[in-house]
Amino acid sequence: GAVVSQHPSWVICKSGTSVKIECRSLDFQATTMFWYRQFPKQSLMLMATSNEGSKATYEQGVEKDKFLINHASLTLSTLTVTSAHPEDSSFYICSARANRNQETQYFGPGTRLLVL
Amino acid sequence: AQSVAQPEDQVNVAEGNPLTVKCTYSVSGNPYLFWYVQYPNRGLQFLLKYITGDNLVKGSYGFEAEFNKSQTSFHLKKPSALVSDSALYFCAVRPAQTGTASKLTFGTGTRLQVTL
Repeated sequence: GAVVSQHPSWVICKSGTSVKIECRSLDFQATTMFWYRQFPKQSLMLMATSNEGSKATYEQGVEKDKFLINHASLTLSTLTVTSAHPEDSSFYICSARANRNQETQYFGPGTRLLVL
Repeated sequence: AQSVAQPEDQVNVAEGNPLTVKCTYSVSGNPYLFWYVQYPNRGLQFLLKYITGDNLVKGSYGFEAEFNKSQTSFHLKKPSALVSDSALYFCAVRPAQTGTASKLTFGTGTRLQVTL
């Protein structure tokens, strides 16, 4: 139980295009999901908290118009990197807390984005 | 503000020997403490957590951790290391409360290298 999936696992795109990353909780419902960014050999940086049916809460310094988050259902949150640039290249990881037990966050396998 | 310190960037252990990965934390009120493991180009896998109760918690793959309130520590241990344990380990903390305001804070990670 408590499986979180991400799609795609990696993506290469041209500068200026937009990329959508999906995060799904496969066997539980999650009102709250989180999006992190991880730079090489560094820890995870929380970008935003995604709330089902409402606007996401962004961390300081994260551009909400750049990183669009939509949490349309209890099992799906999406992160869209708009007008991507090479500096957006990174490893993006989502996580979710189960509504039935909010103690633990479970993480997806990550999406590696490379912007050329 | 809450924080996590993992003082060792890397820990080297010979297979079969016991291992310890150190973690200290700072948080307001009671903590929820977690250990996660990350393999190359993968998301984080949940290992174990301390929520309440017994200070010694056991988790996946033979790992355990001891919560020490007076020392504000939550060191990860395993009696006998395996080469397959080689990975990046993250300690994380959040306040013992529900809701989106309770965010997980990660340490910088410790790379465990187990050799034959």
